[in-house]
Amino acid sequence: GAGVSQSPSNKVTEKGKDVELRCDPISGHTALYWYRQRLGQGLEFLIYFQGNSAPDKSGLPSDRFSAERTGESVSTLTIQRTQQEDSAVYLCASSAHPPGDEQYFGPGTRLTVT
Amino acid sequence: GENVEQHPSTLSVQEGDSAVIKCTYSDSASNYFPWYKQELGKRPQLIIDIRSNVGEKKDQRIAVTLNKTAKHFSLHITETQPEDSAVYFCAARGPNNYGQNFVFGPGTRLSVLP
Repeated sequence: GAGVSQSPSNKVTEKGKDVELRCDPISGHTALYWYRQRLGQGLEFLIYFQGNSAPDKSGLPSDRFSAERTGESVSTLTIQRTQQEDSAVYLCASSAHPPGDEQYFGPGTRLTVT
Repeated sequence: GENVEQHPSTLSVQEGDSAVIKCTYSDSASNYFPWYKQELGKRPQLIIDIRSNVGEKKDQRIAVTLNKTAKHFSLHITETQPEDSAVYFCAARGPNNYGQNFVFGPGTRLSVLP
């Protein structure tokens, strides 16, 4: 079946503009995660959804970052007033919960803020 | 919160040799430890995982060992092949109210030299 998909694959935006990143999880996966990966760095946890509620927002770096999820489907990550330090690959992952723990990652959105 | 360290940051081995990557975690209540492989420009993919009630798990050339007392776990790759070259990330699921906060290590870049 289809895996996790993300759009756009690449996004170039000017500093100060807002951007919206989309994630389509695997059908039936109730858990959804957003991560940020700067060039050559590890995976930085941003937010976790269980269904459409977000019990863990502890990783969101500032109030410019927000995310929402519609039911157990699409999620959007919004970054307002983008800054150059927001440039990174934003990865989405989903997992079946319960019972699965394995996270299936999407291809990521490469965000470049100029 | 949970903190995961990973060593070495880079590792070069000759084809056919073994490679070992070690991770330490801080929260003794963490209970799930996956390893992900990320090839250049691609998404992370789970290669093996272990739970806190098991000391070792093996899958063909890959094995993971867990020492709960010392709070460290290691990835062992035997008979390395050039296609094993990638960045490897360990992670620990640190408990919070919802038990889904994954903390990743910074990654190890493995190069297998032919």
